Amino acid sequence: ETGVTQTPRHLVMGMTNKKSLKCEQHLGHNAMYWYKQSAKKPLELMFVYNFKEQTENNSVPSRFSPECPNSSHLFLHLHTLQPEDSALYLCASSQDRFGGLKTGELFFGEGSRLTVL
Amino acid sequence: QKEVEQNSGPLSVPEGAIASLNCTYSDRGSQSFFWYRQYSGKSPELIMFIYSNGDKEDGRFTAQLNKASQYVSLLIRDSQPSDSATYLCAFMDSNYQLIWGAGTKLIIKP
Repeated sequence: ETGVTQTPRHLVMGMTNKKSLKCEQHLGHNAMYWYKQSAKKPLELMFVYNFKEQTENNSVPSRFSPECPNSSHLFLHLHTLQPEDSALYLCASSQDRFGGLKTGELFFGEGSRLTVL
Repeated sequence: QKEVEQNSGPLSVPEGAIASLNCTYSDRGSQSFFWYRQYSGKSPELIMFIYSNGDKEDGRFTAQLNKASQYVSLLIRDSQPSDSATYLCAFMDSNYQLIWGAGTKLIIKP
C-alpha cells in the first residue's frame, strides 16, 4: 500500500452511535492532520499531530476525539454526533509540521464521507 | 480573521482555451501560496506553490503572485477536459497553518 489510506470510505450513523475513522500513511511522515470538508466551504483544520503528540486542536467539540498511537496511524473517534457534522473527513500527512517546509505539501487520503441521521 | 476569497464558479472554459483562476487573501504577512486540485470524489493534490512575486511556470500551469495587491492566480493553457476539477487556493500564515479558500469549480467543455 502507498500514500494515505482512510477507512471506511462511507459511514452512516445515528446521533447516539459511536464509530471511528481510521487513517494510515505509508510515506514515513511525522505529522498527521484531520480536516473537515463541507460543501462550498474552506477546509477546516481539526487536529494536528506531530511525532505522535497533539499540537493543535482548533476548538473542535469533544464529540470528536482523536488518537495517534504512532506516526503512521491516526484515528478519529466519533460519539453523539449532530446532523451538522455530516461532511467529508480528510486525513493528511506531511514530512513535518510545516516548520521549514517550503512547499507546504500535504498528502491527503481520499476521505471518509460521514452522514449523521 | 485570515481569509482566502475565491469565486465558487462553476467556471466554464472551452477545450484548448486558457483557464484563469483567481484568489485574494487577507494576510499581508503571507509568504507561501499554494494551488491544490481536487477531482470530484477524490482528495486534494498539490499542483503549484509560489512564494516570490511574479510568475512561476510548470508545464501548462502558471501561477502568478502579486503581494502588493494580495492576489494569486493560476492559468491553465490549452485546457483539457481532464483539467475539470475544483481548484483550491491556500496560503501559509506565520504559524505555519494553511488557510484555505472554498475552491473554484472548473469545467472544460469539449
